[in-house]
Parts: sequence; structure tokens; C-alpha cells
Amino acid sequence: ETGVTQTPRHLVMGMTNKKSLKCEQHLGHNAMYWYKQSAKKPLELMFVYNFKEQTENNSVPSRFSPECPNSSHLFLHLHTLQPEDSALYLCASSHAGTVSGNTIYFGEGSWLTVV
Amino acid sequence: DQQVKQNSPSLSVQEGRISILNCDYTNSMFDYFLWYKKYPAEGPTFLISISSIKDKNEDGRFTVFLNKSAKHLSLHIVPSQPGDSAVYFCAAGSGYALNFGKGTSLLVTP
Repeated sequence: ETGVTQTPRHLVMGMTNKKSLKCEQHLGHNAMYWYKQSAKKPLELMFVYNFKEQTENNSVPSRFSPECPNSSHLFLHLHTLQPEDSALYLCASSHAGTVSGNTIYFGEGSWLTVV
Repeated sequence: DQQVKQNSPSLSVQEGRISILNCDYTNSMFDYFLWYKKYPAEGPTFLISISSIKDKNEDGRFTVFLNKSAKHLSLHIVPSQPGDSAVYFCAAGSGYALNFGKGTSLLVTP
């Protein structure tokens, strides 16, 4: 139990589908993140939210749309994805959105397969 | 361009011996460094961190060393245990961006 819960854990979707990944953190943190891990690549930062405001968008295609209604919840809305978007999507949270002195805690990830 | 590199994709160590995992980074502005451990089908779990104002941080069997002049980071696990078998990620950054290495898969054999 990491304090960061992601649902669903596994998702298979077609290229024309619309689906969402959900993340909830129970750690009282103010910053939340989406990371992507593809095979044989390092973890890639996608989005950072600090106090519900997006502070970082790491050149992510618009077919990925984040939503942060409050400091405890984060969504990643998915539409018209491509097979190369298949990956492990990790949600994370931390006290603040800056790196220094700040530990990021990860959820268990959502495995996404686009067919 | 990768700013954090873990050049050894895998490492095998006997139980009870020392495991040394290495990490190099290119950006001299990085001021915070972390190690994460990841089991299959789970998210990364925080292990230990170090700020750029220090050169060593110890937590039980885990010690992280930072050599700023060489832009090199290492994680020492002593003594290594079979339960330490996992993928270890090095991360470094400043500002809002934390950069990860590709990971080193550690196997501790009995």
C-alpha cells in the first residue's frame, strides 16, 4: 500500500475508444504527476499538477488530456490513442511540485494496451 | 537526450555480499537525487535520496554516494539479500523535472 491508488490496473482499448485512468492519493500531498514507462525506456514525465494547477506539460500529444479536480485526485483522459501509446502509466504524488528535498511516491501503475 | 544514465542493465550478486549500482548524470544543475526499487507489476518504491549539499546518505543496509565533480551517483546495498532482487532506478533533477535512468536489474542469488 503506497498511499497512491490507480484504477484500472489493466486497460485494453481500441484506437477509437475514449477511456480514463484514475489516481487518488491519501498522503495529503499537494502535487500529482503522470509518468509513462515504455519498454526499454526510462520513466518519462508527462504532466505535473501543483495545488490543482498544471505546472508542467512535457510536450505530451493532445490525445492525452489530464484533469485534476482537487489535490487528491488526478485523471488521464485517453482518446484516439495509437498502438505505440501502449505502456505502463504511473501516477505519483509529493508534498510540492519541485524536485529538491521532495520525494515522489508512485502508485502501482495502469497497464494500457491499445489495439 | 538522456540526462541520467545507468550503464549496467543487470547485476548479479551473491547473498551477503555488497551490491553496487551506478548512475551518471549530465546536468550540473541537478540538486536532488533518489533511488527507487521496482518489482514486476508494481510501481517504483522510494528507497533513499541525497541532496547535492551532501556526499553520502545512509539508511540501514542502503547507502547512497554522490560525487558531484564526476556527476556520479552510486547505491551500495550491504549485505545483499534475495529480497533485494528487483530493478533499481536512479533519478535526478531540479525545478519541476525529475529524470530517471533506464534501470539496473539486480539479482541476488542464495
